Amino acid sequence: DGGITQSPKYLFRKEGQNVTLSCEQNLNHDAMYWYRQDPGQGLRLIYYSQIVNDFQKGDIAEGYSVSREKKESFPLTVTSAQKNPTAFYLCASSTLGSTQYFGPGTRLLVL
Amino acid sequence: GQQLNQSPQSMFIQEGEDVSMNCTSSSIFNTWLWYKQDPGEGPVLLIALYKAGELTSNGRLTAQFGITRKDSFLNISASIPSDVGIYFCAGKLNSGNTPLVFGKGTRLSVIA
Repeated sequence: DGGITQSPKYLFRKEGQNVTLSCEQNLNHDAMYWYRQDPGQGLRLIYYSQIVNDFQKGDIAEGYSVSREKKESFPLTVTSAQKNPTAFYLCASSTLGSTQYFGPGTRLLVL
Repeated sequence: GQQLNQSPQSMFIQEGEDVSMNCTSSSIFNTWLWYKQDPGEGPVLLIALYKAGELTSNGRLTAQFGITRKDSFLNISASIPSDVGIYFCAGKLNSGNTPLVFGKGTRLSVIA
């Protein structure tokens, strides 16, 4: 099956802990994106990557980090510097001439 | 960052009614997209529009790319309970892999 997978579906973080959210795609898309969604809010862009080994900050990058070592993978680390990490995190991908497709999301909760 | 003005914010309608929602922007876009998000899931693409004035249908859904390239609307005809969810508009400023600009969503509730 082609698509975008995100794991885990639910993730719990203790105060002061870093956690990494996984995003994998087998669509052969060049670009990948991370969004954060809070209740009643739209989608806010955290980071995006247009090609391997390159990425750019989005609107709310503080407290997050990413890497893009492989075309298929774009993991997001929520660091302890992110003071309000509880949210629904969405990964997406696209390629030239195509629209953007989303994964199923990961809900992060702080204990 | 940029955002689109999407309205209404929420709607409560009776099953069988038609629904209309729209997005406006101060910027010109060359692509407009409409997504639907079910609770706890990722958004799913409903309709993509690539040309000013384009009118595209997908079943009971119809969307149009405004002539000015600064707006778009989505209509749902004869609503059913499974239409419940959040509908997002999104615009793309150019043809590359630049990120989409999203509206804040319209939350649709359908009363049977």
